[in-house]
Amino acid sequence: DAKTTQPNSMESNEEEPVHLPCNHSTISGTDYIHWYRQLPSQGPEYVIHGLTSNVNNRMASLAIAEDRKSSTLILHRATLRDAAVYYCIHEYSGAGSYQLTFGKGTKLSVIP
Amino acid sequence: DSGVTQTPKHLITATGQRVTLRCSPRSGDLSVYWYQQSLDQGLQFLIQYYNGEERAKGNILERFSAQQFPDLHSELNLSSLELGDSALYFCASSEAGGPYNEQFFGPGTRLTVL
Repeated sequence: DAKTTQPNSMESNEEEPVHLPCNHSTISGTDYIHWYRQLPSQGPEYVIHGLTSNVNNRMASLAIAEDRKSSTLILHRATLRDAAVYYCIHEYSGAGSYQLTFGKGTKLSVIP
Repeated sequence: DSGVTQTPKHLITATGQRVTLRCSPRSGDLSVYWYQQSLDQGLQFLIQYYNGEERAKGNILERFSAQQFPDLHSELNLSSLELGDSALYFCASSEAGGPYNEQFFGPGTRLTVL
């Protein structure tokens, strides 16, 4: 079974970079890695996704290890609005089967 | 506002009962996903529909079922409810049904089973 592992919580100072790690050691071939975040009392929202190479968008960067068994979500300058629970998700799709496996999430606190 | 709507916002019912949760996807989105979020299990993928057809199944119990209608709204039916079914149920939608599609989540329905 697919499994993703994340630290329970992390802290960052405002305007400093944050690196949120995730282990997805069961990943294979065409499986995607997604990151979503959930602000208090809201549904999750998309942050970024990737397959093999590093990805950048306006919200964050995603660095994927060469063996793809781990990845790191990078917030370049944390703001108070980035305080949320960040979920790493392993998406498996193939051979007539599909599965989305969520990590337990990392609660990010941003200190002003 | 993601554009995904869910009703009702809150639902309180008793064990053994049956409830229906409703989801309207964003305009133009063909795919709908259902998730359960509880304190002990975290976020779990239940099921996906694409343009009226079941596309993928996750950890959905046999007591639970879903469907997507021709107007693309979806319903999640939960029956023979147990205390452990108390959770937040999210619906999400995406433009297409394949992998790597960005999903837009609704605000959720909080189900309490007494």
